[in-house]
Amino acid sequence: GAGVSQSPSNKVTEKGKDVELRCDPISGHTALYWYRQSLGQGLEFLIYFQGNSAPDKSGLPSDRFSAERTGGSVSTLTIQRTQQEDSAVYLCASSLGDGRRSETQYFGPGTRLLVL
Amino acid sequence: SQQGEEDPQALSIQEGENATMNCSYKTSINNLQWYRQNSGRGLVHLILIRSNEREKHSGRLRVTLDTSKKSSSLLITASRAADTASYFCAPRRKLSFGAGTTVTVRA
Repeated sequence: GAGVSQSPSNKVTEKGKDVELRCDPISGHTALYWYRQSLGQGLEFLIYFQGNSAPDKSGLPSDRFSAERTGGSVSTLTIQRTQQEDSAVYLCASSLGDGRRSETQYFGPGTRLLVL
Repeated sequence: SQQGEEDPQALSIQEGENATMNCSYKTSINNLQWYRQNSGRGLVHLILIRSNEREKHSGRLRVTLDTSKKSSSLLITASRAADTASYFCAPRRKLSFGAGTTVTVRA
């Protein structure tokens, strides 16, 4: 596609419910990242997928958070038993993943999650 | 900390003026990136400078890097209203931003 897309753009949920956030990366990009940005805070790395390698989950804040990437393309970030502190904008980014140490990451518009 | 720290926290300038912001980091790096975030266009990559480079230009942007001081600067020349945004530096691929520098360009 033309860019990284994310859905939904906004999600309001009740504390304790599970939510799924979706990311469609740019076609051909093998690297995919999930980040979280809380109100007034900086950007926090969550998880990184590169091709068929095991994902780097070092940024996930708790075992309530998980992510998968099917077929090396679309990714879903799942938050179980949501808490109010999970309220944030969740950003997805993709890059070519051609082996260079750092590459330009292209960001989606984000999903704004509000946990009541 | 694996993130860069930007300074100043906020900057207000007149359209046409230059804006300079600085970044300090603590780890050794292969390269450093600058990103911009505003409500209209989201988070956008601006420029990447490699550790063996001292200066890099891209349009109205000029980035410098001093690995001995673990610092970088971003200069925006001839600023425009569209440059109003928050600017972040990222010393590693798994991005981790601090509060950034919020730049406001007054018409």
